[in-house]
Amino acid sequence: DAMVIQNPRYQVTQFGKPVTLSCSQTLNHNVMYWYQQKSSQAPKLLFHYYDKDFNNEADTPDNFQSRRPNTSFCFLDIRSPGLGDAAMYLCATKLQTSAYNEQFFGPGTRLTVL
Amino acid sequence: GDSVTQMEGPVTLSEEAFLTINCTYTATGYPSLFWYVQYPGEGLQLLLKATKADDKGSNKGFEATYRKETTSFHLEKGSVQVSDSAVYFCALSLTGANSKLTFGKGITLSVRP
Repeated sequence: DAMVIQNPRYQVTQFGKPVTLSCSQTLNHNVMYWYQQKSSQAPKLLFHYYDKDFNNEADTPDNFQSRRPNTSFCFLDIRSPGLGDAAMYLCATKLQTSAYNEQFFGPGTRLTVL
Repeated sequence: GDSVTQMEGPVTLSEEAFLTINCTYTATGYPSLFWYVQYPGEGLQLLLKATKADDKGSNKGFEATYRKETTSFHLEKGSVQVSDSAVYFCALSLTGANSKLTFGKGITLSVRP
């Protein structure tokens, strides 16, 4: 089945130690998104790629970076995680030509910062 | 700017009760509307969607109708089950190359046996 895959599902890192989260998709969608979701809150968009074009949200901290080496993969790099970065990180994809404009989400990676 | 307002939660119901979760929106254009569901520890799943006025989205017994005159997209289910316990997010998206999802705050539904 076509899907959005996130690895790992659970990630533990130490304060200040760089960490990379991975997202892959078999949907062949041209848009990929990264969201941060904290407990009892709606997802917050960090950035997205429209094909190879990177679009950063204005309030996304510089500590968060992203790479999209090809259509299928997208990575979220947190350069120096702080305690406040502990959250669920969600990857989503979209086919820009879709009439409904819906996004498809992966299962998320739960990040713990010690 | 665009926004989505959901009714305050949490909501607790008994099994087989009728469910309504209110959602209203403000948008500068003509948005597509969505309900997403999030089960504990998981990502968001698209529950249903609608793209134009009077469209009815439906899935797994849930329904919502796109009401342009009242700018609403209320979620309903005639008989809830314990397995429906989750967080429900109403969202909108406009068309365009860099369009984004605008979420409501979400509401937690608990269904007791």
